[in-house]
Amino acid sequence: NAGVTQTPKFQVLKTGQSMTLQCAQDMNHNSMYWYRQDPGMGLRLIYYSASEGTTDKGEVPNGYNVSRLNKREFSLRLESAAPSQTSVYFCASSIGQGNEQYFGPGTRLTVT
Amino acid sequence: QKEVEQNSGPLSVPEGAIASLNCTYSDRGSQSFFWYRQYSGKSPELIMFIYSNGDKEDGRFTAQLNKASQYVSLLIRDSQPSDSATYLCAVNSDYKLSFGAGTTVTVRA
Repeated sequence: NAGVTQTPKFQVLKTGQSMTLQCAQDMNHNSMYWYRQDPGMGLRLIYYSASEGTTDKGEVPNGYNVSRLNKREFSLRLESAAPSQTSVYFCASSIGQGNEQYFGPGTRLTVT
Repeated sequence: QKEVEQNSGPLSVPEGAIASLNCTYSDRGSQSFFWYRQYSGKSPELIMFIYSNGDKEDGRFTAQLNKASQYVSLLIRDSQPSDSATYLCAVNSDYKLSFGAGTTVTVRA
């Protein structure tokens, strides 16, 4: 039982490049989330998926898109990376909205 | 965006002492509350959650909730060096979690 997994662990992009962050959970959770964490800012919600087939914007969605591929997988895409997107990205999942969330190990992204 | 406020610290406590962490929130309709521990360079790890007013104990950790005062706290008894970490308070508002910026705790041996 791996919990929540994320790939890659580290990534360096040049401004304007695109990439997709992958997330998968094996806990049969319905809800999945993408956060970014910046120093002194806490965790901020980018997008979430309350259940398979649905996605919604969070607090800071601009510059990102998501896909809930199936119940297990939720990906985050940066279409044209900007230095302001340098951050640590965490994926999380929960059995339902409002329940305790479990986090993946994170992806450290640097955009130069 | 719903506000969740924590003292950033650092909070320094001697080994064996009680560490007391506080969190206030702005949404009076919030229903559930969570404490996470985050070691440097790692992901947040759930410690406890609390839904009802009063105290909830789990080992050396006690969460306290006062919805009237919009206040939730975490007590760490018999603090150990391994408790040195950043503690995040999270509040469920509209079925989404809002996180505080965290309180950094350092336990002195």
